[in-house]
Amino acid sequence: SQQGEEDPQALSIQEGENATMNCSYKTSINNLQWYRQNSGRGLVHLILIRSNEREKHSGRLRVTLDTSKKSSSLLITASRAADTASYFCATALYTDKLIFGTGTRLQVFP
Amino acid sequence: DARVTQTPRHKVTEMGQEVTMRCQPILGHNTVFWYRQTMMQGLELLAYFRNRAPLDDSGMPKDRFSAEMPDATLATLKIQPSEPRDSAVYFCASGWGGQIYNEQFFGPGTRLTVL
Repeated sequence: SQQGEEDPQALSIQEGENATMNCSYKTSINNLQWYRQNSGRGLVHLILIRSNEREKHSGRLRVTLDTSKKSSSLLITASRAADTASYFCATALYTDKLIFGTGTRLQVFP
Repeated sequence: DARVTQTPRHKVTEMGQEVTMRCQPILGHNTVFWYRQTMMQGLELLAYFRNRAPLDDSGMPKDRFSAEMPDATLATLKIQPSEPRDSAVYFCASGWGGQIYNEQFFGPGTRLTVL
């Protein structure tokens, strides 16, 4: 069974706009990771945030974590057509075993 | 350019046939994961290995699936006999295990279709 659920399931925006995706999970975690999957490809790691962190940045990515609400958000600023992909959150507790969410399909129109 | 490789990339087979998927993890990684991705179930962990030893295969149907690591450079996932419900994309991922802050590096996947 999946630990996380992403919201929205699908998102369409124009280039230059910001994209925000949310992830909710069910149990305690040690860290939460975000991955991107381009169509027909494997997943690529984007960013990891630990349970004692509230916010993290990497380039145009900003991730927040609220452990009290068991939720995380991924913000992509100034989106580009190349950001079109599915985005997954994944949680880890005591081991490096990851439980993936359901994913958000992002479409960025030029 | 280190990457995880998987073969075959596509496989079409008939129900009842044996299917073997192979994965070469990134050199130096000691943990290998097998996932299955479908539209209905999403991404599911089937099994994972550390230093070639199975750590968790609770996500894998035991009656028809088997996973092994004959050596540090090869992981295999076998389905025998295959069924139409096994149709999915199977991903292998590798990482430096033993720490919980490590990312996983995914291969391109094997798209399996069982007719």
